[in-house]
Amino acid sequence: NAGVTQTPKFQVLKTGQSMTLQCAQDMNHNSMYWYRQDPGMGLRLIYYSASEGTTDKGEVPNGYNVSRLNKREFSLRLESAAPSQTSVYFCASSGARSDTEAFFGQGTRLTVV
Amino acid sequence: TQLLEQSPQFLSIQEGENLTVYCNSSSVFSSLQWYRQEPGEGPVLLVTVVTGGEVKKLKRLTFQFGDARKDSSLHITAAQPGDTGLYLCAGVEWANYQLIWGAGTKLIIKP
Repeated sequence: NAGVTQTPKFQVLKTGQSMTLQCAQDMNHNSMYWYRQDPGMGLRLIYYSASEGTTDKGEVPNGYNVSRLNKREFSLRLESAAPSQTSVYFCASSGARSDTEAFFGQGTRLTVV
Repeated sequence: TQLLEQSPQFLSIQEGENLTVYCNSSSVFSSLQWYRQEPGEGPVLLVTVVTGGEVKKLKRLTFQFGDARKDSSLHITAAQPGDTGLYLCAGVEWANYQLIWGAGTKLIIKP
């Protein structure tokens, strides 16, 4: 059972570089999410997609863009990376809106130097 | 912005001891979830409590949802090294089913 698959697992970027984090789920879930996790701050929502074709900003969207490519895939793009974006990024998915159990990928550890 | 405060932030105890982790808010949630996260992995759901006053048991773990649906606790009896991890609570908002996350409790159980 693959569940939620994120790539890459690790990445080092130089300030100003761009990159896309990929996420795919095979559970036929409608909702998908991108979070960042920083020490002592828990999980902060960057963007979410309640269904295919829709995306909405979360708590900390600045500096990021997302694309819900289809029902399975939800990507996160950093256009011009900054050291403040050094973090661990998690993709998650959940079923219908009232079915809120979130299934997480293994995370991407991103360092911006 | 709704906030969920978890306490303690960090707890290190000996195997066999009991412990309680708290999750508190001034806001009311439709339900509350507890997750455990191990190093290098994403969080995994342990339990969802839905009804005010509800108590759920998962082996040595007991979860309680406050009567007013604003707070929750996780009690571990006779902690074992395998319980080590980051415990996260998440409240489910009434309006849009969004999850509001606590900052987590890092738990270390020493053999």
